[in-house]
Amino acid sequence: NAGVTQTPKFQVLKTGQSMTLQCAQDMNHNSMYWYRQDPGMGLRLIYYSASEGTTDKGEVPNGYNVSRLNKREFSLRLESAAPSQTSVYFCASSWDRASNSPLHFGNGTRLTVT
Amino acid sequence: QKEVEQNSGPLSVPEGAIASLNCTYSDRGSQSFFWYRQYSGKSPELIMSIYSNGDKEDGRFTAQLNKASQYVSLLIRDSQPSDSATYLCAVIRDDKIIFGKGTRLHILP
Repeated sequence: NAGVTQTPKFQVLKTGQSMTLQCAQDMNHNSMYWYRQDPGMGLRLIYYSASEGTTDKGEVPNGYNVSRLNKREFSLRLESAAPSQTSVYFCASSWDRASNSPLHFGNGTRLTVT
Repeated sequence: QKEVEQNSGPLSVPEGAIASLNCTYSDRGSQSFFWYRQYSGKSPELIMSIYSNGDKEDGRFTAQLNKASQYVSLLIRDSQPSDSATYLCAVIRDDKIIFGKGTRLHILP
């Protein structure tokens, strides 16, 4: 059982380049999330998708876009990367956003923007 | 006031002792509470959840919730070197999951 799978694991971009981070879950979860984690800042929510077909902004959405492709997949796109977007990105899923269900995290993507 | 506050540490505890990790939250409407453990370079993993006042025990871990005082704690008994990690407190409020910045725990052999 793979759980939550993120690709790629590592990425280096130059300022202004674009890329898409991929995330897929095989737990039949309804809700999916993208977080970024920076030293001293903890986990901050970028975007989330409460259910297939819906997406909403989190705490730090600027500079990002998302697509909930189907129930399994939730991608995060950086249209024009900036050094401030250097971070570790985690995708997560949960059974239901409004319930007591905890998050299950992927292994993370370490992104460096030069 | 930050929504979820944790002492960043590091908290150093001798092997075999009890490690006590604390978390306070600002919104009385918070509904559910979780503790995640995160090893360096790894993703967070759920270790405890608690939804009502009182204690909840799972092996060497005990979560304690006091909604009146707005704090949640995690006790780790018989601490092992493998418990050395960052512990993240998370709170569900208004359908949002809010994380604290985490407490670094170091178990001294």
